[in-house]
Amino acid sequence: ETGVTQTPRHLVMGMTNKKSLKCEQHLGHNAMYWYKQSAKKPLELMFVYSLEERVENNSVPSRFSPECPNSSHLFLHLHTLQPEDSALYLCASSSYRESYGYTFGSGTRLTVV
Amino acid sequence: GDSVTQMEGPVTLSEEAFLTINCTYTATGYPSLFWYVQYPGEGLQLLLKATKADDKGSNKGFEATYRKETTSFHLEKGSVQVSDSAVYFCALIIQGAQKLVFGQGTRLTINP
Repeated sequence: ETGVTQTPRHLVMGMTNKKSLKCEQHLGHNAMYWYKQSAKKPLELMFVYSLEERVENNSVPSRFSPECPNSSHLFLHLHTLQPEDSALYLCASSSYRESYGYTFGSGTRLTVV
Repeated sequence: GDSVTQMEGPVTLSEEAFLTINCTYTATGYPSLFWYVQYPGEGLQLLLKATKADDKGSNKGFEATYRKETTSFHLEKGSVQVSDSAVYFCALIIQGAQKLVFGQGTRLTINP
């Protein structure tokens, strides 16, 4: 149990589908993150939320849409994805501006067909 | 900018061998340093950390010492096991900032 829970663990979707990834933490953290991990590529930071406000968006295509309704929950809404979007999507949380590192979830393995 | 460089993998060792994975960094401020481990099919787990120069982080037989003079944070283990097979990531956060900067990861395989 990592303290950060991601659902679903695996997702297969067609290019015309709409789906959402969910992340939940009950660690009292106030910052949450989405990362993309593709084979043979470095970890890519996608979005950062601090105190429920988006503070960073690293040139991510608009087919990825994050939502942070409260400090415990983070979503990544997906629509009209491409096969190259297939990857492991990792959620993490931390206490903002404290140098304790991040706590990661187990990830959602996404396959776009 | 801030960056982390790890030794290229993959690294393959026999069980009970000595392990070193090199990590060096460049930082615009004063960093805290971390090693994360990713087991197959899982997310990243914090393995150990150090927040100031000469600190030694340790966990599960792994150690790393924060060397400011060489800007390094090499990961070591005296006797590896098959269960240590994973991808290892070195990372830093500039204290007072927020962004965790990762190295590219080093895949480690331990053969029985």
